[in-house]
This record gives sequence, C-alpha cells and structure tokens, in this order.
Amino acid sequence: QLVLTQSPSASASLGASVKLTCTLSSGHSSYAIAWHQQQPEKGPRYLMKLNSDGSHSKGDGIPDRFSGSSSGTEHYLTISSLQSEDEADYYCQTWGTGIQVFGGGTKLTVL
Amino acid sequence: EVQLVESGGVVVQPGGSLRLSCAASGFTFDDYAMHWVRQAPGKGLEWVSLISWDGGSSYYADSVKGRFTIFRDNSKNSLYLQMNSLRAEDTALYYCAKDFSSGWYGGDYFDYWGQGTLVTVSS
Repeated sequence: QLVLTQSPSASASLGASVKLTCTLSSGHSSYAIAWHQQQPEKGPRYLMKLNSDGSHSKGDGIPDRFSGSSSGTEHYLTISSLQSEDEADYYCQTWGTGIQVFGGGTKLTVL
Repeated sequence: EVQLVESGGVVVQPGGSLRLSCAASGFTFDDYAMHWVRQAPGKGLEWVSLISWDGGSSYYADSVKGRFTIFRDNSKNSLYLQMNSLRAEDTALYYCAKDFSSGWYGGDYFDYWGQGTLVTVSS
C-alpha cells in the first residue's frame, strides 16, 4: 500500500534552517513526491517535485530558500533563512495511475 | 496567471445533494487532467477524484466512490463535482487542483490549487 509518513510538527528559529521529512512506504522508493505549503487560512501552494534520484523542479516564484533532496524512501524539504511567513503546514504528495496520496502534514512553527 | 475558483459550497442536510464548480483560467483547460481534494476542519488533505483532459477517464477515493461524480465542460473551462448521499464526514473545504502534465498519464502531481469552497453537512 502506497503511504506517506510525515512528522506532525517541527519548529525552528527565525533565520535558521529546518529540514522536513516525508517517508515513502517500503517498496515504493522509485516514486517521486511533491511538496505543498499551506499557510493559515489559505489554499495549498505547490513548492516542488522531488524525483527518487534527488533531482527536483520548483513551482513558479518559489524562493531559493526552499530546496529538496532524497535518500531511498526518504524525501526532504529544507527551508533556509526561515521567515515568519514560512510558518505553515507542509504536505507531501505521491501518485500512481488513478491514485493520489498525501502525507498527514507537518506543522512548522517559526520561533 | 493560472486561476482556479471554486463555488457551490453550502450547508446541506445528511442524505442531500450538491454540485460544486471550479472555473479555470490562465491555461489551456482541455489539455490537462483535473482533481478535487478536500480538507475536513482541522485535518489534512484528502484526494477525492481525478478526471482526464477529455473526461473519458475518472477515478475516485474509496470514501466517495458511488456517491460522487466528477465531470467537466471544456467549452466553459469548468470542472464539477456532483455530490449525492452526503454524510456528516463529507464536511470539508473542497479544492480543485490542476494536474501538472498535459495529456493523459493517469494523473500526476498538482501544480496549482484553488482557494476552496466549504461544504457543511448537518441537520
């Protein structure tokens, strides 16, 4: 079964960096994922797609502070130089023919 | 600029029906598959349904299969979700989302989202 697992919460200080993790279920390491950001009271926003080889492509207007990497079944979203507007929920997504799966989301608090 | 604007969300009684709409602009609508995704209050994202660029293929989450129908009118650049036999657990903010890939590959990731429309199922 295709499943994505995320930690429910993370926190980091203003100006620091944070690395969020999204883990694919066993046997699905070849799947790509996408990261989405949802700021409070807003619709989600696409950030980037991460391939299993670690290559990634970002959405329109996504700052260089957002980067991605991968290792096996684990995919990462790193946000550097944290700003107050980065406080949001972050969801990872994966997909197959006729199916879409989201992780449970990570709530990022900027201290 | 890509824009997706959902509408049609209201308060409806259990067992009732509702049709949501999504007006799309800023891209060639009939080139892309489209999706509906929902978010219950205080919860995460749940994919609901997918339709191919031409409406010829559609898929549903198990939680809505047999009750919801996705369809589109490419002449009006619009996506729809017909929701029947509504339950309290269908209460959520419903988003439409654009598939990344033009053509049909069985669905890809989402590169644009709308702002959502709220459906409340309550007596």
